[in-house]
Amino acid sequence: GAVVSQHPSRVICKSGTSVKIECRSLDFQATTMFWYRQFPKKSLMLMATSNEGSKATYEQGVEKDKFLINHASLTLSTLTVTSAHPEDSSFYICSARDGERSTDTQYFGPGTRLTVL
Amino acid sequence: QQQVKQSPQSLIVQKGGISIINCAYENTAFDYFPWYQQFPGKGPALLIAIRPDVSEKKEGRFTISFNKSAKQFSLHIMDSQPGDSATYFCAYNPFAPDRGSTLGRLYFGRGTQLTVWP
Repeated sequence: GAVVSQHPSRVICKSGTSVKIECRSLDFQATTMFWYRQFPKKSLMLMATSNEGSKATYEQGVEKDKFLINHASLTLSTLTVTSAHPEDSSFYICSARDGERSTDTQYFGPGTRLTVL
Repeated sequence: QQQVKQSPQSLIVQKGGISIINCAYENTAFDYFPWYQQFPGKGPALLIAIRPDVSEKKEGRFTISFNKSAKQFSLHIMDSQPGDSATYFCAYNPFAPDRGSTLGRLYFGRGTQLTVWP
């Protein structure tokens, strides 16, 4: 149980285009999902916290208009990188919290490698 | 800003040896402390977690030791195997007394790259 999937696993796009990444909790309802960014050999940097049915809470320094987050259902959250540029290239990982189990445990997706040319 | 300090940054252990990774955190209460294991190109996977009401938790070869007075917790990997070679992250979810609940977000250490030689 507690499986989180992400799609796509890898995406390459041209500068200026938008990219959407999906995060799904497959066998539980996730009232809260989190989006992280990770640079090579670095720790996870929290970008935003997404609660189902409400606006995402962004961390300081993260551009809301650049990284659009939607959490329309209890099993799906999406991150859209708008007008992507090469500096947005990174490994993006989502996590989900199982509201019916421990409120603290986060389960991570496999990550999405974004490369902007 | 609340932080968790993790050490060492990298660790090399021979097969069969004990791997020890340490983390120190700031002054908070009723925390939740998970450890995550991450292989290259993959998302972190929950390895083991502890709450401050116990001082130690063991699951197979993995043990978390928690020292609340020192605000430290550590991961011990017994009989380390080459398959354990990965990056390990400690994290904690602090309790916010004014909210009466945890903050719900995790603060991560910088990670420890473990290499186990055969």
